[in-house]
Amino acid sequence: DSGVTQTPKHLITATGQRVTLRCSPRSGDLSVYWYQQSLDQGLQFLIQYYNGEERAKGNILERFSAQQFPDLHSELNLSSLELGDSALYFCASSVVTGGNTEAFFGQGTRLTVV
Amino acid sequence: LAKTTQPISMDSYEGQEVNITCSHNNIATNDYITWYQQFPSQGPRFIIQGYKTKVTNEVASLFIPADRKSSTLSLPRVSLSDTAVYYCLGVENQGGKLIFGQGTELSVKP
Repeated sequence: DSGVTQTPKHLITATGQRVTLRCSPRSGDLSVYWYQQSLDQGLQFLIQYYNGEERAKGNILERFSAQQFPDLHSELNLSSLELGDSALYFCASSVVTGGNTEAFFGQGTRLTVV
Repeated sequence: LAKTTQPISMDSYEGQEVNITCSHNNIATNDYITWYQQFPSQGPRFIIQGYKTKVTNEVASLFIPADRKSSTLSLPRVSLSDTAVYYCLGVENQGGKLIFGQGTELSVKP
């Protein structure tokens, strides 16, 4: 158990809908990362937050948004869903952000868009 | 941010030592080299990290030559449960963005 909790574990929704994925980082971790993993794309970095502020942005679509709340949990919002958004979404957390970072990953949310 | 190159796949047998080499020619002075392991449908798990020379923990060893343009993850006496994808990352000292490449799919056979 990494200590990072993601909910829900599975989500099935229809095209055009909007969903929210939730991540609770390990106690004391200030940094949260979001990743998307589909079969043909590998692990794609989406966005990173540090202590409530956006720190880095990757290949995140405009239909997707995220935030980190004062209690440090984070949410990833996916809207106008398309079939191609079906993937495993991982959240990770770390104490700090830097070169010697050890990130801890949650078990992921499997999103299926039908 | 260091771009890394690894073999797509490797095969091994139980009990053998496995060495996975990662190339990172444009690694920056302050970048660390970090390796993660991922099993199917699970989140990646940190294995080992280093800046230069050799680092060893209970799971693996990491060898980084003086020029730091490559690194080698060494897994001693692998077992079937070591079958996984192994990722090499160059992590910025400022920012710490974690960018995963294709990874190496290691298959351990009995």
